[in-house]
Amino acid sequence: AQKITQTQPGMFVQEKEAVTLDCTYDTSDPSYGLFWYKQPSSGEMIFLIYQGSYDQQNATEGRYSLNFQKARKSANLVISASQLGDSAMYFCAMREIVRTGANSKLTFGKGITLSVRP
Amino acid sequence: GAVVSQHPSWVICKSGTSVKIECRSLDFQATTMFWYRQFPKQSLMLMATSNEGSKATYEQGVEKDKFLINHASLTLSTLTVTSAHPEDSSFYICSARGSREGSPLHFGNGTRLTVT
Repeated sequence: AQKITQTQPGMFVQEKEAVTLDCTYDTSDPSYGLFWYKQPSSGEMIFLIYQGSYDQQNATEGRYSLNFQKARKSANLVISASQLGDSAMYFCAMREIVRTGANSKLTFGKGITLSVRP
Repeated sequence: GAVVSQHPSWVICKSGTSVKIECRSLDFQATTMFWYRQFPKQSLMLMATSNEGSKATYEQGVEKDKFLINHASLTLSTLTVTSAHPEDSSFYICSARGSREGSPLHFGNGTRLTVT
């Protein structure tokens, strides 16, 4: 079973509008972290936002906010006031915290392509 | 500024040759680095976890003898694609994270490998 699911096809949004990118996850680990990364056409991976499983409040970073619904196992990214430069692929990722202390890896979803229209 | 530097950003090589890709953490020590591979329009697939001073941990299906990983210092990990073939052509990205809980993975800018 997929641990991170991003099922939306290519997304389009009008400049200055808000857009929500969906992400659901599956884990039995009680402690985990959720991440969103942006990958423009240049290929670099840009960290956007982080949500810990025990965080009481939804994470926010500037125009990015994470709609974290733990019971539904969803961690949707909301981008407000879209800009042309937001056009990119967006990846949701999860790290399951290994209690043994070993470094735990990130598992990525398939990604969503976002296109911002002028 | 970039906290993980990856070099080269692109490389073209002939079949049968080997290619080395370097990944450096610039302003922090990384006891663990991760190597990912990405095909066009697809997700990042973890290849291996590189541990400083010890052997790398490879994901299932990744050939250890083909993708040699060396993590000789706390700031440098290298991935060597040995006897490269056209099917090895891909985008390879390294990453490292700080020790603080919740620290994100910082990624290098990736290396686009083309094997002719």
